[in-house]
Amino acid sequence: GAVVSQHPSRVICKSGTSVKIECRSLDFQATTMFWYRQFPKKSLMLMATSNEGSKATYEQGVEKDKFLINHASLTLSTLTVTSAHPEDSSFYICGGKTGDKIGNTIYFGEGSWLTVV
Amino acid sequence: AQSVAQPEDQVNVAEGNPLTVKCTYSVSGNPYLFWYVQYPNRGLQFLLKYITGDNLVKGSYGFEAEFNKSQTSFHLKKPSALVSDSALYFCAVSPRTGGGNKLTFGTGTQLKVEL
Repeated sequence: GAVVSQHPSRVICKSGTSVKIECRSLDFQATTMFWYRQFPKKSLMLMATSNEGSKATYEQGVEKDKFLINHASLTLSTLTVTSAHPEDSSFYICGGKTGDKIGNTIYFGEGSWLTVV
Repeated sequence: AQSVAQPEDQVNVAEGNPLTVKCTYSVSGNPYLFWYVQYPNRGLQFLLKYITGDNLVKGSYGFEAEFNKSQTSFHLKKPSALVSDSALYFCAVSPRTGGGNKLTFGTGTQLKVEL
């Protein structure tokens, strides 16, 4: 299957600072990337969908000014958590979609643990 | 809006026995259906998907799933479980039209395979 890499895998930041998480598709071009958030023992909550070269589409209730998503190339999307607070601590997972067709598989990265202290 | 239900939080099975992880879905029109597996502190690994055609889909690691339109189900199965299959399994659905290509996940089922 296609490979998606996320970096960093774990990050600790101080409250009020910003942190960036990178998501790269290593062996395919991901025209669409998805950012999910997973709470402990909970399902995955879609935060936003990003298409290369355009603005991300955020799900209802997700603050776009707090969770900045950039999809500058077909192989890289970034999530920046701005002015982080302890409640932003979570496991963030990105996924890249192979191709434009609905039903194409989304391949996910290994996830990034964010801890805000 | 689409939704997925995984009615069992946990499934326990003895190694060598068959396993079933249940999934039902709700979506307008025909769905695309997916199964992913998550090992502790890891991302999601794609197992299999149903797009069209044969209702029985075979995937990675000996897993298979059967699409049942009348029961709106897509249960994951494996004939003989391994201890290494112990993980968190997610069913997901995407509508064929609209929905923005988004995957909606179920709440996950923890599979525990014991010796």
